[in-house]
Amino acid sequence: NAGVTQTPKFQVLKTGQSMTLQCAQDMNHNSMYWYRQDPGMGLRLIYYSASEGTTDKGEVPNGYNVSRLNKREFSLRLESAAPSQTSVYFCASSVGTGSGGYTFGSGTRLTVV
Amino acid sequence: DQQVKQNSPSLSVQEGRISILNCDYTNSMFDYFLWYKKYPAEGPTFLISISSIKDKNEDGRFTVFLNKSAKHLSLHIVPSQPGDSAVYFCAASVSGGYNKLIFGAGTRLAVHP
Repeated sequence: NAGVTQTPKFQVLKTGQSMTLQCAQDMNHNSMYWYRQDPGMGLRLIYYSASEGTTDKGEVPNGYNVSRLNKREFSLRLESAAPSQTSVYFCASSVGTGSGGYTFGSGTRLTVV
Repeated sequence: DQQVKQNSPSLSVQEGRISILNCDYTNSMFDYFLWYKKYPAEGPTFLISISSIKDKNEDGRFTVFLNKSAKHLSLHIVPSQPGDSAVYFCAASVSGGYNKLIFGAGTRLAVHP
């Protein structure tokens, strides 16, 4: 099925551990995004990649790094996880500039203990 | 500093009646607005959008109204159905901003028989 695929779906980390969240899209979209969803805060943009080879910070980038590996894949890395990073993480993609909505993945629920 | 605000965390409506979800924004540069619907354990899905050159856009049971002078938009669902029970996110963007969306905190709609 065409769309955005995120792995893993669930993860529990200990404080200080690192991990990479994977995201891949097969719609030939130019732009990709990482958001986190927290209760009462909605969806907040962590990082985005307007096109292959470029990445930029969003609203809440601290504690995260990203890699746009190719046009299809955009990964999010937590180098040293903290309890404040407990959240649900969504990857999304879009055609890019101009109007148009996002296609979201189903999310990764991350708990940092 | 929330640029997109959904001040009602929840809304309960009887089946067959109208649901009205509200959203306010502060950034006058926003010129494209979208509504997303989210079911539990799934990613948000695009519902309907409106450009700032319009004041109304309709798609079946869903209508979005935009009042630029008040920096306010609303989503009307008529008639409401139990399957509409979900969290609804309002989002906004600036044209040419690589489609970077800023989301509100969401409103949980419950439609009961």
